[in-house]
Amino acid sequence: EPEVTQTPSHQVTQMGQEVILRCVPISNHLYFYWYRQILGQKVEFLVSFYNNEISEKSEIFDDQFSVERPDGSNFTLKIRSTKLEDSAMYFCASSNTGGRSPLHFGNGTRLTVT
Amino acid sequence: DQQVKQNSPSLSVQEGRISILNCDYTNSMFDYFLWYKKYPAEGPTFLISISSIKDKNEDGRFTVFLNKSAKHLSLHIVPSQPGDSAVYFCAANPGSGNTGKLIFGQGTTLQVKP
Repeated sequence: EPEVTQTPSHQVTQMGQEVILRCVPISNHLYFYWYRQILGQKVEFLVSFYNNEISEKSEIFDDQFSVERPDGSNFTLKIRSTKLEDSAMYFCASSNTGGRSPLHFGNGTRLTVT
Repeated sequence: DQQVKQNSPSLSVQEGRISILNCDYTNSMFDYFLWYKKYPAEGPTFLISISSIKDKNEDGRFTVFLNKSAKHLSLHIVPSQPGDSAVYFCAANPGSGNTGKLIFGQGTTLQVKP
């Protein structure tokens, strides 16, 4: 079964540094998402992306965050200047028809900001 | 933000018995609900969904019931198996069009004892 793949599985960075989290969504999917889960908290929506533009973003997704689909297969989340509170598990997801189809999640990237 | 609530952090059942996981929501505009299962070090895996036009959806051992007047849904697993031991998340689409944004509950950890 096709799956969403994320790299790296664990990223450690120092506060203030830029990080790029990478995802390869399922190949025929058209909608792409980033979610995060801070340890002990809920899974939270960050951003949705369709047709090469952001379709919705949460309050968490401020100017420090950006997303990009640089080619036909990758989908990236960039955090420009990481803060300690950005430490979380970041999940990429994709779906083929958006809001009324299930999201398929990757196994996540654990980001640790020191 | 308590729009989707899973009030039981954990549940333990015997193999072969029924597992019932509960979820409450606060916003009557929510119109599509999903259950996800999550194993440690993996991303959430889609289990089953239900649209607000239905009150029941069944897929094998999994049945989701929706009570719109009570703003309550439940997931029944019959019979429960040890491999079902995982964290179960209830999620709701807040009716925000086709963006695929989901609001998650806190999760319930299910342990199925052999």
